[in-house]
Amino acid sequence: QKEVEQNSGPLSVPEGAIASLNCTYSDRGSQSFFWYRQYSGKSPELIMFIYSNGDKEDGRFTAQLNKASQYVSLLIRDSQPSDSATYLCAVNMVKAAGNKLTFGGGTRVLVKP
Amino acid sequence: ETGVTQTPRHLVMGMTNKKSLKCEQHLGHNAMYWYKQSAKKPLELMFVYNFKEQTENNSVPSRFSPECPNSSHLFLHLHTLQPEDSALYLCASSQDSPGLAGVRTQYFGPGTRLLVL
Repeated sequence: QKEVEQNSGPLSVPEGAIASLNCTYSDRGSQSFFWYRQYSGKSPELIMFIYSNGDKEDGRFTAQLNKASQYVSLLIRDSQPSDSATYLCAVNMVKAAGNKLTFGGGTRVLVKP
Repeated sequence: ETGVTQTPRHLVMGMTNKKSLKCEQHLGHNAMYWYKQSAKKPLELMFVYNFKEQTENNSVPSRFSPECPNSSHLFLHLHTLQPEDSALYLCASSQDSPGLAGVRTQYFGPGTRLLVL
């Protein structure tokens, strides 16, 4: 089992719809969770982080965390063509010393006009 | 701009060459990282430096040699690379503050696109 798992996609979403991305992780004791967006040929840029169970909203983005199910998701409301990118889930695992993040393989999102 | 810069942005080198990648962060962070990103593979952590001390070497071949002279600068020295080492090399930094209960956001530089011929 991969430590951090994401569906590779592509996830095709009509413009204006909600894109829902999922991420599961293996280390039950993981503490903090990050969503990064990566455009083709560019470096990852942070969208948001979450460390408490429940929802966290930032603009059109909502992160949802369920530690009991070892599951974190990202919702993108009112999807725009500019949201087309690969979304990386990253987890700060307890077993890892210091600041190590473990990344999933990413989900490619395509927003169609 | 994230406050993390990398040079060069693109590099082509032969297998017998020696080159170095440079990373500089202007965020006052105390931890720096090297990652490798190959096509269709997840980001792979290579090295972690905390307060200039290497705290992680993720089984990286010795043809990659990191150097961290201070908390703001990080180098990756390359020698006798193989074509399979061609990838995007990303530097990141974060602030290691134990009081933040594990929330240590990493900020990435733009990366160096490396091609080994």
